[in-house]
Amino acid sequence: GAVVSQHPSRVICKSGTSVKIECRSLDFQATTMFWYRQFPKQSLMLMATSNEGSKATYEQGVEKDKFLINHASLTLSTLTVTSAHPEDSSFYICSARRTVEQETQYFGPGTRLLVL
Amino acid sequence: ILNVEQSPQSLHVQEGDSTNFTCSFPSSNFYALHWYRWETAKSPEALFVMTLNGDEKKKGRISATLNTKEGYSYLYIKGSQPEDSATYLCAFGSGNTGKLIFGQGTTLQVKP
Repeated sequence: GAVVSQHPSRVICKSGTSVKIECRSLDFQATTMFWYRQFPKQSLMLMATSNEGSKATYEQGVEKDKFLINHASLTLSTLTVTSAHPEDSSFYICSARRTVEQETQYFGPGTRLLVL
Repeated sequence: ILNVEQSPQSLHVQEGDSTNFTCSFPSSNFYALHWYRWETAKSPEALFVMTLNGDEKKKGRISATLNTKEGYSYLYIKGSQPEDSATYLCAFGSGNTGKLIFGQGTTLQVKP
């Protein structure tokens, strides 16, 4: 159990367009989902924490109007990169956690975004 | 700034060799230390979540130890196999919010 899917796995878009990435917990309900970003040769960096039914909490330096997060249900969170630019090209990956007591986070396979 | 360091950055071993990597993390405000195994094009797979100083956990040929007072964790792989080839990530959690700070990972290549 504890499978997390992410869609799409890779996307190429033109500068100025918006891209939506979905993160789904397939066989469990996730009270909290997390969005990370990884630039080449760097570690996974937390962007925001998303709790079902409430506004996401963004890490310092992450623009909330640029990276819109919606967590409308216990199995789905979406990240929308608005008006994407080449510098937003990166690897985006989500994780989900069942409850506060369940410390393990289950990761999706990630989305590679390339903005031309 | 909280920093998590992993060493070595990469490692090449022969099949059957035993190996170990290090994760260093802040010794203050410790809540949990996570280890993940990440194969290319797959999801990171949770190996261990460790919370208590002195914890030792084992999963098959892989084991981990934790020293929260000095801020380090070791991951051991006994009798490495080619299928162990992956990047091993550690992540430090400083509260029950679930926020994790990741190291850059140790990439292991096991040659048959």
